[in-house]
Amino acid sequence: EDQVTQSPEALRLQEGESSSLNCSYTVSGLRGLFWYRQDPGKGPEFLFTLYSAGEEKEKERLKATLTKKESFLHITAPKPEDSATYLCAVQAAGNQFYFGTGTSLTVIP
Amino acid sequence: EAGVTQSPTHLIKTRGQQATLRCSPISGHTSVYWYQQALGLGLQFLLWYDEGEERNRGNFPPRFSGRQFPNYSSELNVNALELEDSALYLCASSLEPGGKLFFGSGTQLSVL
Repeated sequence: EDQVTQSPEALRLQEGESSSLNCSYTVSGLRGLFWYRQDPGKGPEFLFTLYSAGEEKEKERLKATLTKKESFLHITAPKPEDSATYLCAVQAAGNQFYFGTGTSLTVIP
Repeated sequence: EAGVTQSPTHLIKTRGQQATLRCSPISGHTSVYWYQQALGLGLQFLLWYDEGEERNRGNFPPRFSGRQFPNYSSELNVNALELEDSALYLCASSLEPGGKLFFGSGTQLSVL
């Protein structure tokens, strides 16, 4: 069964304290792995797409990496405005998207 | 460029009633996806429409249905509402089937 698991469920960081979020997946025919950011009361906002193991993408303080079984979202020197829920989604064969339950990140000034 | 728009923003219904949620995709996008996001749960896939046809359906009962119009806008209908249908309903569009999803801000449905 296709499945996406994110950890931890919640993460509290001091401003400037770097960390990583994990997304592990089991899916048949992976076509892509997506990271989204979701602020309260809003829809998810696209961050990255990764297609193959070893691929990396960066945007400001965020860096996403992909292996055959999991993806990491590394946050370097986070700021309070990085506080949000980060969602991982995998795209399987048939163009189906499966989402994890997200990691709620709080960055304390 | 306008993003994905959903209406209404909030909807309050009572058990047994019907709810209709609407979505306008980004101009030029032909695929529309519907997701349910209940409190504490991830996004659960409901329906996918492309070029006016239903392409795929998630593991939801038949009282969840929808359609896509010739202008690619979409409607989600939920019949015989149950308390557990209370959730944020998100619509997303993509330029092509399987392309990057762009989400609207959602409709918060409350069933009393």
